[in-house]
Amino acid sequence: DAKTTQPNSMESNEEEPVHLPCNHSTISGTDYIHWYRQLPSQGPEYVIHGLTSNVNNRMASLAIAEDRKSSTLILHRATLRDAAVYYCILGYQTGANNLFFGTGTRLTVIP
Amino acid sequence: EPEVTQTPSHQVTQMGQEVILRCVPISNHLYFYWYRQILGQKVEFLVSFYNNEISEKSEIFDDQFSVERPDGSNFTLKIRSTKLEDSAMYFCASSVISWGNTGELFFGEGSRLTVL
Repeated sequence: DAKTTQPNSMESNEEEPVHLPCNHSTISGTDYIHWYRQLPSQGPEYVIHGLTSNVNNRMASLAIAEDRKSSTLILHRATLRDAAVYYCILGYQTGANNLFFGTGTRLTVIP
Repeated sequence: EPEVTQTPSHQVTQMGQEVILRCVPISNHLYFYWYRQILGQKVEFLVSFYNNEISEKSEIFDDQFSVERPDGSNFTLKIRSTKLEDSAMYFCASSVISWGNTGELFFGEGSRLTVL
């Protein structure tokens, strides 16, 4: 299974952009890159996913490197509510047991 | 906005007792999942369910666990004889299409199980 590497923690000031990196050097050609986050005391929450092109939605943007070996989740203006653990997960046409959350990046937002 | 709801939010039980955790997935979703998270640890997959049968299960999901969709709206997780190590937050999730086909999973807020 393709693995991802993320920093354990990051900090950001409120209302500033945040770039959360993810390395996935063993990604296969068909693996999608998914991001979920888990706010304190809540269940995981879908953020965004993509394959090759950069993606935008109301929550975030996903920038995917041309070789697809890394990606970056971009929160354009961090709010206190964005403080969470962010998980970068790979998969396509695999079972739900491959929605492997790992340890993720704990984002702290400083007021 | 539609959401996955779980009950109870917290249940305390004695070791060896049976526990049923309930979930109401989003109404048009077809795929259902249970995950758990022991305090301070990773979110772990337990089981997925589609078309009234288990699609996959992890090693954690042993004979003490079972799932059911009894009435077309609820999705339940039963632990037959709880052990101390079953203490965890249990998350239900649902999706329109399967995770493997890039389905977005919607998670509930969880049911905290404490086994004494």
